[in-house]
Amino acid sequence: AQTVTQSQPEMSVQEAETVTLSCTYDTSESDYYLFWYKQPPSRQMILVIRQEAYKQQNATENRFSVNFQKAAKSFSLKISDSQLGDAAMYFCAVPGGGADGLTFGKGTHLIIQP
Amino acid sequence: DTGVSQDPRHKITKRGQNVTFRCDPISEHNRLYWYRQTLGQGPEFLTYFQNEAQLEKSRLLSDRFSAERPKGSFSTLEIQRTEQGDSAMYLCASSDSLRSGNTIYFGEGSWLTVV
Repeated sequence: AQTVTQSQPEMSVQEAETVTLSCTYDTSESDYYLFWYKQPPSRQMILVIRQEAYKQQNATENRFSVNFQKAAKSFSLKISDSQLGDAAMYFCAVPGGGADGLTFGKGTHLIIQP
Repeated sequence: DTGVSQDPRHKITKRGQNVTFRCDPISEHNRLYWYRQTLGQGPEFLTYFQNEAQLEKSRLLSDRFSAERPKGSFSTLEIQRTEQGDSAMYLCASSDSLRSGNTIYFGEGSWLTVV
């Protein structure tokens, strides 16, 4: 069974600083995507970034980037120039739970200090 | 593209009553998923549809739960004889399996409180 571990229940960062959220996973898939989702207090889950496991290059979306270590099954999210609007729960997700459905970690609560 | 929409957003019901949630996926998305999320946890998979066919159910989906997607468009999730343990947010999501990565898009969720 797929498992996803987010070892940081809560992280706090000063506005404009950089923060890294960690995620490790286990999967039996050989070719897969990994995802980071953001869930603000309004509760809608929003896709932040995705990574193709067979690609060496780490994905980047504006201020968001990943550090993907396939052998270590590690998939961390780096947020640069943190903004107040980044405050949310962040969930790491890997394939599992229904064909191409997702298994989620427990999330990291990100606090942005003004 | 209007996104995934869910109705109602909030529902308070008495224990033992039946409730039904509706989900309208992104148009032309062939896959539709239901997840459950409780406070402090990530979403947990319940079931999914490929078009109108329900292809997988989680062990979390007891026989009091039933989901349908009659014409491969909208879906309903019914919970019969609700229990306090059913209190959670029920998330619907959809995806286009023909697009690489099968990225899943979520609705805003339906909050259920059983009193």
